[in-house]
Order: sequence, then C-alpha cells, then structure tokens
Amino acid sequence: EVRLVQSGEEEKRLGESLRISCKGSGYKFTTQWISWVRQRPGKGLEWMGRIDPGDSYTNYSPDFQGRITISVDKSMNTAYLQWNSLEASDSAIYYCAAGLGVFDPWGQGTLVTVPS
Amino acid sequence: QSVLTQPPSTSGTPGQRVTISCSGGASNIASNTVVWYQQLPGMAPKLLVYSDSRRPSGVPDRFSASKSGTSASLAISGLQSEDAATYYCAAWDDSLTWFFGGGTVLTVL
Repeated sequence: EVRLVQSGEEEKRLGESLRISCKGSGYKFTTQWISWVRQRPGKGLEWMGRIDPGDSYTNYSPDFQGRITISVDKSMNTAYLQWNSLEASDSAIYYCAAGLGVFDPWGQGTLVTVPS
Repeated sequence: QSVLTQPPSTSGTPGQRVTISCSGGASNIASNTVVWYQQLPGMAPKLLVYSDSRRPSGVPDRFSASKSGTSASLAISGLQSEDAATYYCAAWDDSLTWFFGGGTVLTVL
C-alpha cells in the first residue's frame, strides 16, 4: 500500500524555526514528486511547492517562494517542509501529497499552530 | 480570490443529481488537465477524478466529470449522505504552479 505518513502536531512561537516531515512507503520514493499543500482553518487548499526526490529539483509557488524550503532525504524516503521564522499566519494544516499530474495519495496532515 | 472559481456551496437531497462548476483560464484549465478532490470533514483530501474525467479505481461511477474550454464540472448522481464533503477542482498552470479552486461545500439535505 502506497502511504505518506507525516510528523505530528506542532505548536511554536513567533519567529521560531520549524521542519515537518513526510515519509513515503510502499513505492519507490524517488519516482514520485512530493508537493506540500496548506489549509488554513476553515479555508481552502493552497499549493506551496514540490520536489523531485530523484534529484531534489524544487518548484515553489510565487506566494511561498522565499518563505519556505522543501527538501528531501532519499535515504530516509522522507520529504521536509521548513520555515526559518514562523508567523502567526503560518498556523494551518499542512499536507504532503505524492504525484506529478495528480496528488495521490495524501498524508494525514500536520497541524502547525503559531499563537500570536 | 482563487484563480479557479467554484461556487462556495451547493445542496441536494438523497437520490438527486448535483453539479459543481470550476471556471479557469487559458493557462490552466484550457491547456492542462483538471483534477477533482473530495475532502470529507476532518480528513485529508482524496483523489476523485483525474485527467478531466477519469476515475481512480474505487471511486463510484456516480461521480463523473467533464471539461470544455476554460471550464470544468463535476456531477454526482444518486446523491448519498456520505457524499457530504468539500469538493475542490485543481489544474496545473503554465506559470509552473498548481491552482486549486476555492472549494464547494456539498450539503446532503
């Protein structure tokens, strides 16, 4: 079974750094791009960017470029989403999803809370 | 304001047919395929339709989708209570970005 399992809920302070993870299993990790998608409370889905685990090539949405870093550790079959300085507006559920032309499957989501 | 426009909500009674529209532009829907996702309350999104109108295995044929020009639509026939969810369209844009529609909340009355 192809699965993506994400790291657990996080509560951080303003200005802190954070890295959340997404571990793939049940398939050859390097063959499927991994995207990250944000969902703010009560809001819709926003695509943040993606990475090709084969060569670590990344492609960011202009709305997130410069604010996040997407990376991968092939040896661990794991992709990461990182912030250097969190803002209150980063409070959201973050999903990883596998695929290039479609997102399937999705991880279970990681809730990030940054109280103001 | 989303690049892909969906109605915020729709509703139907069990057994009815409902449709959800998704309007985009030349650089996304018109030139790339449309995907639809279903998000049940409190859950991660799930792939419902890909390549404009193809269903993954396991998705009932009550769900159908089509595309014409810069618009796409998702139809759900024989509405069931478990179809209550938020539905999102998505399309790759030639600006090298994925866009999602704002989502349509389906209420089964």
